[in-house]
Amino acid sequence: AQKVTQAQTEISVVEKEDVTLDCVYETRDTTYYLFWYKQPPSGELVFLIRRNSFDEQNEISGRYSWNFQKSTSSFNFTITASQVVDSAVYFCALGGNYQLIWGAGTKLIIKP
Amino acid sequence: DGGITQSPKYLFRKEGQNVTLSCEQNLNHDAMYWYRQDPGQGLRLIYYSQIVNDFQKGDIAEGYSVSREKKESFPLTVTSAQKNPTAFYLCASSSGLKLFFGSGTQLSVL
Repeated sequence: AQKVTQAQTEISVVEKEDVTLDCVYETRDTTYYLFWYKQPPSGELVFLIRRNSFDEQNEISGRYSWNFQKSTSSFNFTITASQVVDSAVYFCALGGNYQLIWGAGTKLIIKP
Repeated sequence: DGGITQSPKYLFRKEGQNVTLSCEQNLNHDAMYWYRQDPGQGLRLIYYSQIVNDFQKGDIAEGYSVSREKKESFPLTVTSAQKNPTAFYLCASSSGLKLFFGSGTQLSVL
C-alpha cells in the first residue's frame, strides 16, 4: 500500500530562520511522482513542485529547496530565511495519474 | 483570470437534507476532482472525472454524488446518507500531473 507520512504536525519558527519539512513515503511502484503543495489561510492549495522517481537531483527555487532521496524514501522541503508569508499548511503527496496519496500536512507558523 | 470557482464558501446542512456544492473552471481542463479535508488529515478523494459524462469513485464516495454534464462544471451533492458531512471540500482540475484548486467550501451540520 502507498503511504505518505509527514510526522511534523506543526512547526513554529521566528522569521529569517531556516526550516525543513519532512516527508517520508512508501510505495512499491518503480515509477512515481512526488509533490509539495502549500495551503495558505485562504484555503486553496497551490502547487510548489513535482519530482519523478527517476530524478534524484535536488532542486532550488529562490528560498525553497527540495531534497529527494530514494534510499531513505524521503522528499524533504527546506525554506531558507523564512518569512511571515510562508505561514501555511504544507502537504506532501505521492502518486501518478488521477489519484494522489496525501500526507496529513505540516502547519508552519512563522513568527515576526 | 483563469481558475476554479467554488461556491458557496460556507454551507450549512440540516439533518436529512441533500446539499450541492458548486465547482466551475475556465482552465479548459478535462480532469476534475473533489476532495474532502478534515482537520489534521490529508486530502481524501471523493470523485474524479476524466472527461464529460464520465466519472469514477474515489476512496470515500459513499454518501456523495456528482455529475459532469459540461466540461466546465463538476457539482458535488452531499446526500443525507453521508452521516458525517462536516468538512472542508476542495474542487480541483488538472493539467497533466499538476492540480489547480478552488478556495473550498466549508460544510457544517446544523
